[in-house]
Amino acid sequence: GAVVSQHPSWVICKSGTSVKIECRSLDFQATTMFWYRQFPKQSLMLMATSNEGSKATYEQGVEKDKFLINHASLTLSTLTVTSAHPEDSSFYICSPIRTSKDGSSSYNEQFFGPGTRLTVL
Amino acid sequence: KNQVEQSPQSLIILEGKNCTLQCNYTVSPFSNLRWYKQDTGRGPVSLTIMTFSENTKSNGRYTATLDADTKQSSLHITASQLSDSASYICVVSAQEGKLIFGQGTTLQVKP
Repeated sequence: GAVVSQHPSWVICKSGTSVKIECRSLDFQATTMFWYRQFPKQSLMLMATSNEGSKATYEQGVEKDKFLINHASLTLSTLTVTSAHPEDSSFYICSPIRTSKDGSSSYNEQFFGPGTRLTVL
Repeated sequence: KNQVEQSPQSLIILEGKNCTLQCNYTVSPFSNLRWYKQDTGRGPVSLTIMTFSENTKSNGRYTATLDADTKQSSLHITASQLSDSASYICVVSAQEGKLIFGQGTTLQVKP
């Protein structure tokens, strides 16, 4: 399997502050990274897709100026929640893609980080 | 519209018993179907991945089935353990690579 870490695992912050969440793929390189958030008792909702070295593509309804994504290297992606408000309280999960080879063909595998619980007071 | 629906929404069983979770989808064209286990406060962990041509796949006490004609899948858990208490999420991958998530089934295994 693949090892994906997120830091911090949980964070509590005051309204108006910014919070940075790091996601690392520890034993593989991820060209593509997905960021999801999950509200209590709901399914994962895709926020954005980022490719290393490129600007992220945001899903409809997700503010790109509020959720800043940086994918500067193949093993590290960050999500910064700027000027956080209580409604941003959620569980944020990164999901890197590992491209593997099977003979002459390649295929993608998607893994999930352990998540970061953000609580904005 | 691409959708994935799971049932039941929640389930309580006694330790040692078997259970089956259902997943119906309308995603088309379809690439693969995955079952994930998500413990509370953790990210999802893959249990099985099945492509269009696969009917069943097992991972220990977990057995997933897929009927691509009726667009239905099930996850059967045998001899449940307390550690099986979690949310089980059915995820269907469309051919363009987009993942469609089900709402999940919350399973609680009681001693």
